[in-house]
Parts: sequence; structure tokens; C-alpha cells
Amino acid sequence: DQQVKQNSPSLSVQEGRISILNCDYTNSMFDYFLWYKKYPAEGPTFLISISSIKDKNEDGRFTVFLNKSAKHLSLHIVPSQPGDSAVYFCAASGTRDDKIIFGKGTRLHILP
Amino acid sequence: DAMVIQNPRYQVTQFGKPVTLSCSQTLNHNVMYWYQQKSSQAPKLLFHYYDKDFNNEADTPDNFQSRRPNTSFCFLDIRSPGLGDAAMYLCATSRDPRETQYFGPGTRLLVL
Repeated sequence: DQQVKQNSPSLSVQEGRISILNCDYTNSMFDYFLWYKKYPAEGPTFLISISSIKDKNEDGRFTVFLNKSAKHLSLHIVPSQPGDSAVYFCAASGTRDDKIIFGKGTRLHILP
Repeated sequence: DAMVIQNPRYQVTQFGKPVTLSCSQTLNHNVMYWYQQKSSQAPKLLFHYYDKDFNNEADTPDNFQSRRPNTSFCFLDIRSPGLGDAAMYLCATSRDPRETQYFGPGTRLLVL
């Protein structure tokens, strides 16, 4: 049973436009959410996180939005750049957990 | 640079032949994790060490074991690899559970 769901396996976006990657979760005990980025032949690298006490966190071109009532979060990348082409993993953890649960990832293609 | 190192990057083994994957870190982090990731799937946590305290996931097969002889090193032992164990194996570290995890590049295991 997937607790963290990324329903779009892939997404293509024109360079310079906004990329929006979505993530849904089922466990209401999750209170900390992360996005990781993964290039081929490399391990995932931490991108941005958000605590459940917030509904938005911004870091440069990357913004994560959290809608707790909908159990939904999204990652916005604007403007999208060629180097953003990668697989993006959504992840979550709960107060009582000492681990994070990953989604299956969304492959983002930035088109020239 | 402080980092998480995994060796080898690619490992080929034979069905049933024991294999060991290694991970080292220069971050001096307390927690080390082993994940298994199959194509288009979420990274699946196998186990983690919090200092010397070993934590096995309930659904991790007995075929998989781990050792952490010191803070810097952690090993994944697969006693009798099956064809279904072919995957990418990711090592990660964090200062404390639920803090950002830093991943190594992974070892891709092929079982013949």
C-alpha cells in the first residue's frame, strides 16, 4: 500500500515555463515532506523540504506547497531550465517515524 | 568534499553466490541507511543503523544482512542472491533520523 503517491510517471515542460510536480499522501501522521532530485547514475540529492506547520517553502526557483486537508503537496520550478531534467522523488515522514517513505518518482523532461 | 561513497558502482554476481556491497561516509553522520530501488519504483528501505543500533524493516528478506563496524562504514551482505535481487542499492546517511538524508551514487547489482 503506497503511502506516498506520485501519479505522473513523467512530465514534459518547455524551457522557461513552470514545472509543477504533484504528490499525494495517505498517512495523516506525516508531518515532514521532502523533495529529492535524481540524475541518471547518481544517488538522489535533497532539494527542498516543508514542515506541516507551513503551507509554503521557497528556495530560489523551487517552491513547495503543502495542502494538509487534501494531503497533497506540489513542487513548482520556475523558470524551468535544461538542468532540471531529472527524476523527482517526493518523500514524507511522521513524528514517530525514524525513516522517510518515498514515492515512485516523476521524470521531468525540459524541452528546448 | 564530505560525501557518501559506494563501492563498487556496478556489481555482477551469480545466482546464489554471496555478495557484499560497501558504503562509507565522511559526514560523521549517526544514521546510515540501505535502500533497494528497482526500475520505476520508489526506493525501498531495507534497514538502517542509528549509531550501533540496527533497525530491520519488517519485510526485508532474511537473505539481506548488514554490518556497521564503525561510524564511517556500513556493508550490505546478500547471502544468496536471487534474480529478483537485481536492483540499484542506495546507501544514505543522516545526522539524525528524519533529518535530510544524503545519498551515495548507488551500486547496481546484476545477478546472472
